[in-house]
Amino acid sequence: DGGITQSPKYLFRKEGQNVTLSCEQNLNHDAMYWYRQDPGQGLRLIYYSQIVNDFQKGDIAEGYSVSREKKESFPLTVTSAQKNPTAFYLCASRALQGLAQETQYFGPGTRLLVL
Amino acid sequence: DQQVKQNSPSLSVQEGRISILNCDYTNSMFDYFLWYKKYPAEGPTFLISISSIKDKNEDGRFTVFLNKSAKHLSLHIVPSQPGDSAVYFCAASALNDMRFGAGTRLTVKP
Repeated sequence: DGGITQSPKYLFRKEGQNVTLSCEQNLNHDAMYWYRQDPGQGLRLIYYSQIVNDFQKGDIAEGYSVSREKKESFPLTVTSAQKNPTAFYLCASRALQGLAQETQYFGPGTRLLVL
Repeated sequence: DQQVKQNSPSLSVQEGRISILNCDYTNSMFDYFLWYKKYPAEGPTFLISISSIKDKNEDGRFTVFLNKSAKHLSLHIVPSQPGDSAVYFCAASALNDMRFGAGTRLTVKP
């Protein structure tokens, strides 16, 4: 059945280490998004992509990088430059045409913790 | 710069009563509004939405009201059930820009 998957569910990062969070969707959605959620705050946009091989920075892109080599996949790398990476990371996707095109659908999230 | 605000971090209601969650926005360019429900350690799930050309949208126990002049929307849940206990996020969208509120934690007491 269709949906968005994120892995791993929990991820631990050591100081100075880059880590990559996976996001895959089989909804045939064109657009994909990465958000960060911190306690007591709403979702903040890190990066988004509307088409393969193209992506745009969101509000808090510093310290993160993404790629969009395939329509189904939008991995997020948390680099060592991100000084406060501990958060809950959410991936979402959206159709750009048709009914309900305004609605983003979310994956189950990945919790990143710094050791 | 919070363009979408949910001023109540928490709300507690009795089972069977109405829950009213509120949301305010500042950007008049927003033309589509959504409510998401989120359980701990899970991704948000889409609940209900409304276009700016409407002032009400109803789906079972859930109704969203939009007051464009006041830049305010609300989610009504009636009757509230213990399973509705979760964090509810309001979101507003304009073209490719979607903004989320900080969320309201709803607790429905049996």
